Amino acid sequence: QVPLVQSGAEVKKPGASVKLSCKASGYSFTSYYIHWVRQAPGQGLEWMGIIDPSGGTTTYAQKFQGRVTMTSDTSTSTVYMELSSLRSEDTAVYYCARRGYSDYWGQGTLVTVSS
Amino acid sequence: DIQMTQSPSSLSASVGDRVTITCRASQGISNYLAWFQQKPGKAPKSLIYGASNLQSGVPSKFSGSGSGTDFTLTISSLQPEDFATYYCQQYHSHPFTFGGGTKVEIK
Repeated sequence: QVPLVQSGAEVKKPGASVKLSCKASGYSFTSYYIHWVRQAPGQGLEWMGIIDPSGGTTTYAQKFQGRVTMTSDTSTSTVYMELSSLRSEDTAVYYCARRGYSDYWGQGTLVTVSS
Repeated sequence: DIQMTQSPSSLSASVGDRVTITCRASQGISNYLAWFQQKPGKAPKSLIYGASNLQSGVPSKFSGSGSGTDFTLTISSLQPEDFATYYCQQYHSHPFTFGGGTKVEIK
């Protein structure tokens, strides 16, 4: 069973926001941090930030400060990542991953930003 | 931020070859280093954590070594299913950072 399942693909216009979800199962949701990583088409992996699902404490990469918000809902074992003021450069596959060393990854969510 | 430099960025190898990929951190990260394999259109897959610990279910042909700033991933005998892109990641301190990737192609 895959421990992390992400929401489906999104198409957004520049300036809009997108909120992605990552639902955990098969383990104690509050035991492990979740972080978000994105990958632009044909590019490498870029770390966005991390959340402690138990208390909601977050740390964001400087690049995304002010535009990203990560939250958790312990009642549904789900972590959310909202990215605002979208631009074309935000077109990417967004992944959630468990633990600092990313032992498990979600399947990824493609976000396309286009007018 | 800690910079992770992977080399080479790509390599061509034959089935059965021994392959080594290196990852260098811009400052010491102890053993907080992970390795991943990614195939086209798929999420990365964890191979190694703690620089040298094999993730459950990963075949023993993969091995990792190093500590401090210099790390290596070795594939002892390359098989067709191993042709992919490999990434290192430091999780010593925020922001976590990734190497640029090494694409392993068939010679």
